[in-house]
Amino acid sequence: GQQLNQSPQSMFIQEGEDVSMNCTSSSIFNTWLWYKQDPGEGPVLLIALYKAGELTSNGRLTAQFGITRKDSFLNISASIPSDVGIYFCAGLLGRTQGGSEKLVFGKGTKLTVNP
Amino acid sequence: DAGVTQSPTHLIKTRGQQVTLRCSPKSGHDTVSWYQQALGQGPQFIFQYYEEEERQRGNFPDRFSGHQFPNYSSELNVNALLLGDSALYLCASSSDIRANPEKLFFGSGTQLSVL
Repeated sequence: GQQLNQSPQSMFIQEGEDVSMNCTSSSIFNTWLWYKQDPGEGPVLLIALYKAGELTSNGRLTAQFGITRKDSFLNISASIPSDVGIYFCAGLLGRTQGGSEKLVFGKGTKLTVNP
Repeated sequence: DAGVTQSPTHLIKTRGQQVTLRCSPKSGHDTVSWYQQALGQGPQFIFQYYEEEERQRGNFPDRFSGHQFPNYSSELNVNALLLGDSALYLCASSSDIRANPEKLFFGSGTQLSVL
């Protein structure tokens, strides 16, 4: 089945630093999504990308849909302690009969921010 | 407005037992999906329910079954539990089977431990 390779697996940074993480796949996806999951909670959507080459921002977060449609990137600028958590990329293959059920998730990037 | 609610929050079972997990979708939502998230992994799609029928299914054995009720709430049943079934089980709801991913909301999950 489809797999998403997410890297890095974990990051330890100082408050105020910028963060970059990425997700690659051998399959083409029509939609890329980035989620954040806090301990004991479900994933919360941060950014959704629908077009190859698309660059979308949400506050200090910026994500890009790769031109090849096989990768995506997430950047966090000026990190703060509440950015701590696990970030997941997810790819959506298509929306024929339905969309959400074909979400494929990466294994996550665990972010630790030192004050 | 309550979001997606799941019960119980934690559960401990022994191998061979059966378990039922419950989910109430966000108000106004009629489609429910279930995901399994093993430790250190991203969520994996189990199945989706709409109009009280299973509409899509991921790569999970028949030991995993579900149900959706007329009020849109849903249950996930797992028979003959294995140690490997230990995971966080997430329920997600949306307002339309064809809803865009940004309209998919996750609950906080049920942490199942199989001993």
